[in-house]
Amino acid sequence: AQRVTQPEKLLSVFKGAPVELKCNYSYSGSPELFWYVQYSRQRLQLLLRHISRESIKGFTADLNKGETSFHLKKPFAQEEDSAMYYCALKTGTYKYIFGTGTRLKVLA
Amino acid sequence: DTGVSQNPRHKITKRGQNVTFRCDPISEHNRLYWYRQTLGQGPEFLTYFQNEAQLEKSRLLSDRFSAERPKGSFSTLEIQRTEQGDSAMYLCASSSSDMNSPLHFGNGTRLTVT
Repeated sequence: AQRVTQPEKLLSVFKGAPVELKCNYSYSGSPELFWYVQYSRQRLQLLLRHISRESIKGFTADLNKGETSFHLKKPFAQEEDSAMYYCALKTGTYKYIFGTGTRLKVLA
Repeated sequence: DTGVSQNPRHKITKRGQNVTFRCDPISEHNRLYWYRQTLGQGPEFLTYFQNEAQLEKSRLLSDRFSAERPKGSFSTLEIQRTEQGDSAMYLCASSSSDMNSPLHFGNGTRLTVT
């Protein structure tokens, strides 16, 4: 079955602390994985994708095919990182499966 | 704003009524998607258009739901005989056919069925 699992509904960290948002996937094909973010009162937008291997706003994510994971990490959380984060798996040429999301709260 | 536009932003309707939502994608995008999001869930795929052709419909889309994309531009999603279980946020997204093109989402239409 094709599935994306985000085990944490809510993650609270203090400003300056490291952050790791977990994402595991189930897919028999070659996965394409993404992190989307939704800030308060804004639309859902792409944060980063695994094929780009880039760091966006200090966030990185590494695809681990052995553990079927794509965890999102940032070494030092900022208050403006507070948002809803969704992990997404692209299956085929156009279909995306989203996880249930993790709300990140960065406390001052 | 040249992003994906959805109207209306909010819709409250009584059970049994029909509702129609509109999505205007980014103009150069030929792919258009509808997703539904309920509380505590991520977006769930409903249907996909490439230009004017509807290439896939999810099993979530019952016979009461119909989507169109005439001329491959804007799209409409109609729900007939609404039920309380239809209450959700309906999201539209678009992308180009470039394999690296990400989804660009609209702000969504929040439907409340009373």
